[in-house]
Amino acid sequence: QSVLTQPPSVSGAPGQRVTISCTGSSSNIGAGYDVHWYQHLPGTAPKLLIYGNSNRPSGVPDRFSGSKSGTSASLAITGLQADDEADYYCQSYDSSLSDYVFGTGTKVTVL
Amino acid sequence: QVQLQESGPGLVKPSQTLSLTCTVSGGSISSGGYYWSWIRQHPGKGLEWIGYIHYSGSTYKNVSLKSRVTISVDTSKNQFSLRLSSVTAADTAVYYCARAPEGIIDHPFDPWGQGTLVTVSS
Repeated sequence: QSVLTQPPSVSGAPGQRVTISCTGSSSNIGAGYDVHWYQHLPGTAPKLLIYGNSNRPSGVPDRFSGSKSGTSASLAITGLQADDEADYYCQSYDSSLSDYVFGTGTKVTVL
Repeated sequence: QVQLQESGPGLVKPSQTLSLTCTVSGGSISSGGYYWSWIRQHPGKGLEWIGYIHYSGSTYKNVSLKSRVTISVDTSKNQFSLRLSSVTAADTAVYYCARAPEGIIDHPFDPWGQGTLVTVSS
């Protein structure tokens, strides 16, 4: 079940900045649990992009950044590139469900 | 670096048991420090966490699937497995295995396998 809400799609021209929101509730993001972001190209392994709200794993360009406030989190992509076209998912933990929860997913299109 | 690869039948009949194995390379499951997880994605839908296992054998499962899920580990083969019983068409999904660090509850999953599509159909 997707208890974290994301916009279905966002788009931007090469070089532009796009942001993806991830809206949760008081039992997950609002409870202080960390938010993580994944980049997924269908048919491939999802890739961890941001962990612990705003940290980048080694090898992830600094064009990707994450933030969290209240019951929401955001992923920003600056200097948009063609190979950024993918699906992006947020993830956290929900104490009411005692479950790991994912966002609904956002498809990024580079115009 | 650690890599994970799912394997198993791509077609399962309704009411039967789905069985998948995840083979870990580049690291040892028995070295500890991680939970070994199963996650699935229904066609055109979001991701759903199924459960995970520690090398010690302790497991933690999604409440909604708990009664049908068995997760086991074979440290000698560096593999862990998923069994999902009494499957229906609603269990048709791409199944992923992934690793998560132990010690914190709100952990990320990294790395992931590339996933395997399982279709439930007669």
